[in-house]
Amino acid sequence: EPEVTQTPSHQVTQMGQEVILRCVPISNHLYFYWYRQILGQKVEFLVSFYNNEISEKSEIFDDQFSVERPDGSNFTLKIRSTKLEDSAMYFCASKKTGLFGEQYFGPGTRLTVT
Amino acid sequence: GNSVTQMEGPVTLSEEAFLTINCTYTATGYPSLFWYVQYPGEGLQLLLKATKADDKGSNKGFEATYRKETTSFHLEKGSVQVSDSAVYFCALSGLVQGAQKLVFGQGTRLTINP
Repeated sequence: EPEVTQTPSHQVTQMGQEVILRCVPISNHLYFYWYRQILGQKVEFLVSFYNNEISEKSEIFDDQFSVERPDGSNFTLKIRSTKLEDSAMYFCASKKTGLFGEQYFGPGTRLTVT
Repeated sequence: GNSVTQMEGPVTLSEEAFLTINCTYTATGYPSLFWYVQYPGEGLQLLLKATKADDKGSNKGFEATYRKETTSFHLEKGSVQVSDSAVYFCALSGLVQGAQKLVFGQGTRLTINP
């Protein structure tokens, strides 16, 4: 069964460093998402991406964040200058169709900023 | 904006007990409703969904009915097993054309004792 994959599973970085989190969505899916979950808190939406552009972003997704689909298979989240409060589990998700499509989630990348 | 409220956890039950996890929502229009499950160390998996009022979603013995009049989508299972121990998230997705981000509740940690 096709699945969303994410790498790395765990990333440790120092404050101020840039990180890139990578996702490979399911191949025939058209909508892509990043969510994050700070330890013990709810899952929060960061950004959605469709037709090679951002379709919606949350207030969390400020200028330090960017997303890219560089090659038609990967979907990346970049944080330019990490802060301690960026420490969280980051989930990628993808969806095939519009209104009633189901979002499939990857296993997540745990980002630890020290 | 849209929001989801779940009953406070953690919830601890004995095997074969009846489970209810309450979920209520606030949304404009008629959202789609979901229950996701997160097993220890894993990502989010869709458990069940309902896309219109009075729909009942069901999977693996779990059920939830979309109640528009009470804006609720409570999760139930008649006889829980130790393997059901996980964190359960209620979520909604708006019916506005576009990427339809998911809005999650805070999650309810369920522990089933043998």
